[in-house]
Amino acid sequence: QVQLQESGPGLVKPSETLSLTCTVSGYSISSGYYWGWIRQPPGKGLEWIGGIFHSGSTYYNPSLKSRVTISVDTSKNQFSLKLNSVTAADTAVYYCAREPYDILTGYSSPFDIWGQGTMVTVSS
Amino acid sequence: EIVLTQSPATLSLSPGERATLSCRASQSVSIYLAWYQQKPGQAPRLLIYDASNRDTGIPARFSGSGSGTDFTLTISSLEPEDFAVYYCQQRSNWPRTWTFGQGTKVEMK
Repeated sequence: QVQLQESGPGLVKPSETLSLTCTVSGYSISSGYYWGWIRQPPGKGLEWIGGIFHSGSTYYNPSLKSRVTISVDTSKNQFSLKLNSVTAADTAVYYCAREPYDILTGYSSPFDIWGQGTMVTVSS
Repeated sequence: EIVLTQSPATLSLSPGERATLSCRASQSVSIYLAWYQQKPGQAPRLLIYDASNRDTGIPARFSGSGSGTDFTLTISSLEPEDFAVYYCQQRSNWPRTWTFGQGTKVEMK
């Protein structure tokens, strides 16, 4: 079955860049779907960060857009998140997830498969 | 930007009782409203999409309703495993974004 797994450093210093990778197994990213990142600060709600299509087309949360880059590596069946100039407010569990997308209608469905999440702490 | 407001923040109920959760959008989202369940230490799980469609494998005790700005998630008879936090989510086309509500915690009374 399709599985997603986040990986990356658990501790990032303030003002530096947070980098995470999501590895997809059981499905080829090149076959379709959008792939997204969502985060959740400790004890708080969910915040959508952005998403990418296998072609490289991206869309981002306007509140984070100036600091976020999402990229895809179809040869490794992975997609990645970079968030620069981090502060303590970026401390959160970061999830990657699959977003079903109908290329004919342009219709996206909600995130149906999620990774287990990875905790990232921003601290010196 | 569309804002989703969930109520109540916390719902204290006993197993076997009916749970009714509300999600209100600041402007119409048609039927493009989803519900997720999240248990401690776990990723969210998709329950309902397009306001009323259960995702694969979701028990029939979960049902969604509504359109426009007012939506409801109903759990007809709470099972012990249903005590969790529930989030609603909507998709905007322009700009293309996803937004979550702040969540409703269903706790055991």
